[in-house]
Amino acid sequence: NAGVTQTPKFQVLKTGQSMTLQCAQDMNHEYMSWYRQDPGMGLRLIHYSVGAGITDQGEVPNGYNVSRSTTEDFPLRLLSAAPSQTSVYFCASWGGGKTEAFFGQGTRLTVV
Amino acid sequence: AQSVTQPDIHITVSEGASLELRCNYSYGATPYLFWYVQSPGQGLQLLLKYFSGDTLVQGIKGFEAEFKRSQSSFNLRKPSVHWSDAAEYFCAVAPPWRFSGGYNKLIFGAGTRLAVHP
Repeated sequence: NAGVTQTPKFQVLKTGQSMTLQCAQDMNHEYMSWYRQDPGMGLRLIHYSVGAGITDQGEVPNGYNVSRSTTEDFPLRLLSAAPSQTSVYFCASWGGGKTEAFFGQGTRLTVV
Repeated sequence: AQSVTQPDIHITVSEGASLELRCNYSYGATPYLFWYVQSPGQGLQLLLKYFSGDTLVQGIKGFEAEFKRSQSSFNLRKPSVHWSDAAEYFCAVAPPWRFSGGYNKLIFGAGTRLAVHP
């Protein structure tokens, strides 16, 4: 049982490049989310999904796109990377309500 | 605005001393409440959660938390801290139906970094 798998673990991008952070879960959870973690700011919600085909914006959505074509996968796209997007990104999967959320191990992204 | 506040950015305690980490929320109704811990370079681990009922909840690693509706608080406590408890602690809420369509996302506080002196 893999839980939540994020790839890659580390990435360096140049300003203006695009990339996709991958997130997959094998727990058949309806809810998935992307967060970014910056020192002193905790985890801030970027986008979330409540099921296949349904996504919504979180606290800091600008510069990021998501889609959810399957229950298992929830990729995060950076269309034109900026240095302000240097951060650690976490994907989470959750059955919702009175259950525990599970987190991936994180992706450390540096934009130069 | 709806939010989760952890007033203490850094806390330092001596090993064996008691610990209390504060968390306040500002939603009109009680959200679901969680505490997570993150050790350096690691992912997040759930310590405990509160949905309803008994306001004192027990978690893993000897932690407990008390929900106080009148204060909109969910403070984390431990009677005797161990050096291995040094980490960053996050309070999180799942906002209720009125604010998000119903317990379908987690909002985190900014975190409290705990240092433990020997």
